[in-house]
Amino acid sequence: DAGITQSPRYKITETGRQVTLMCHQTWSHSYMFWYRQDLGHGLRLIYYSAAADITDKGEVPDGYVVSRSKTENFPLTLESATRSQTSVYFCASKETAYNEQFFGPGTRLTVL
Amino acid sequence: TQLLEQSPQFLSIQEGENLTVYCNSSSVFSSLQWYRQEPGEGPVLLVTVVTGGEVKKLKRLTFQFGDARKDSSLHITAAQPGDTGLYLCAGRLVFGNEKLTFGTGTRLTIIP
Repeated sequence: DAGITQSPRYKITETGRQVTLMCHQTWSHSYMFWYRQDLGHGLRLIYYSAAADITDKGEVPDGYVVSRSKTENFPLTLESATRSQTSVYFCASKETAYNEQFFGPGTRLTVL
Repeated sequence: TQLLEQSPQFLSIQEGENLTVYCNSSSVFSSLQWYRQEPGEGPVLLVTVVTGGEVKKLKRLTFQFGDARKDSSLHITAAQPGDTGLYLCAGRLVFGNEKLTFGTGTRLTIIP
C-alpha cells in the first residue's frame, strides 16, 4: 500500500530489553523523522534523516539509535528500554525541507 | 521548557459555538503550521502560515500568524462534532530548516 506505515502498532516490553520500531514509506521521500508524543509535551523530535546514510539528533535522542540504509526505511531502536520510554512513537516523512510532513499511524509502546 | 505553548490545553464546548486556540512563543518562527490529530492516527497538516500578520481560512477555520511571527491563533466558527480532535501548532525556527518544533497541543471536544 502506498503511504507511510509503522510496525508494530502496539508493543509491550520489559525494562532492559531491546526494541525496534519500524517505519516504511513508499514515496521515496528524502526526509524521515521519529517523534515521541507524551501528554503535556506535544510531539518531540528524537532523530531525523535527510537521506539514506545521513542521520542527526533531535531534541530527545538519548536511549535511541537509528539507521537508514535504504531511503524507504527508518527503524528506531531502543537498545535497553526504560519505563520513561513508554510513549506513542510517530514516524514522518517529507520530500524536501519545505514540503508537507506526512505522519504514520503511530506505535504505542509500553515498557513495564 | 516548552518553546511553543498552546492554550487552552483542554476545551469542551457545545456544537455551534465559536472558539479560539492560541499558540505562543518568545521565539520568532520563519513559518508556523497547524495540525489536527484524531485518536489512533498521526497528525494531519491543516495549514502553513509564513508571513507576519497572515490570515488563512479553511472553511470554518481561520488561522492567523502574529505580526512578529511569535504567535498564532486558530479560530473555529460554529463548531461541529467533526472538529473534535487534538490541535497542534508547529514552528520552523530557521528558514529552510527541516526540523519542526511542536506545541503542547489543545484537545478539543465538541458536544452535539
